[in-house]
Amino acid sequence: KAGVTQTPRYLIKTRGQQVTLSCSPISGHRSVSWYQQTPGQGLQFLFEYFSETQRNKGNFPGRFSGRQFSNSRSEMNVSTLELGDSALYLCASSLGPIRSNSPLHFGNGTRLTVT
Amino acid sequence: AQTVTQSQPEMSVQEAETVTLSCTYDTSENNYYLFWYKQPPSRQMILVIRQEAYKQQNATENRFSVNFQKAAKSFSLKISDSQLGDTAMYFCALGLTFGTGTRLTIIP
Repeated sequence: KAGVTQTPRYLIKTRGQQVTLSCSPISGHRSVSWYQQTPGQGLQFLFEYFSETQRNKGNFPGRFSGRQFSNSRSEMNVSTLELGDSALYLCASSLGPIRSNSPLHFGNGTRLTVT
Repeated sequence: AQTVTQSQPEMSVQEAETVTLSCTYDTSENNYYLFWYKQPPSRQMILVIRQEAYKQQNATENRFSVNFQKAAKSFSLKISDSQLGDTAMYFCALGLTFGTGTRLTIIP
């Protein structure tokens, strides 16, 4: 089975721009979650989608949004980029919702640099 | 709200030694699942081990084992006979919430 695929791997944007990141989960996985990883902050939860519905949302401003399609692929959008948005964005998929015993399977991440 | 705390930002041990990474958490739920994930340098994050809270027996996966103390809300990871390939960031996770990680370096 193919693993979780995130595209693109690297992005460089300037402040004020917007960006869309993509995540294709493992086949058969219906849950996709997104995390922001920065040094010293660990992984900060952004949101989780299960069967096209947002089930949980972390404490991020409304500039961060996402969606999930019928094939379970997910996109995350960040508008009006700020320097502090520079981070590694990780996508993870799982068979069941996050609060189940299904472990998360992570992609390689998208490294976003905002200048 | 759930919280996960990893109080050891960095650790290093000699190859073949045993090392324990600590994790404490807080939750109001009775049944939950705890995980340890490993993120090698420039590589994908992968599951190391998981524990179901209602199971008293500590989980074990080869050289990796946990010491799960439900009353104390503690979930430490023990790595026995450490190998160079164990060098990585280790994250403790509870549901949606991850700790800040412990950077483990195995010294040859």
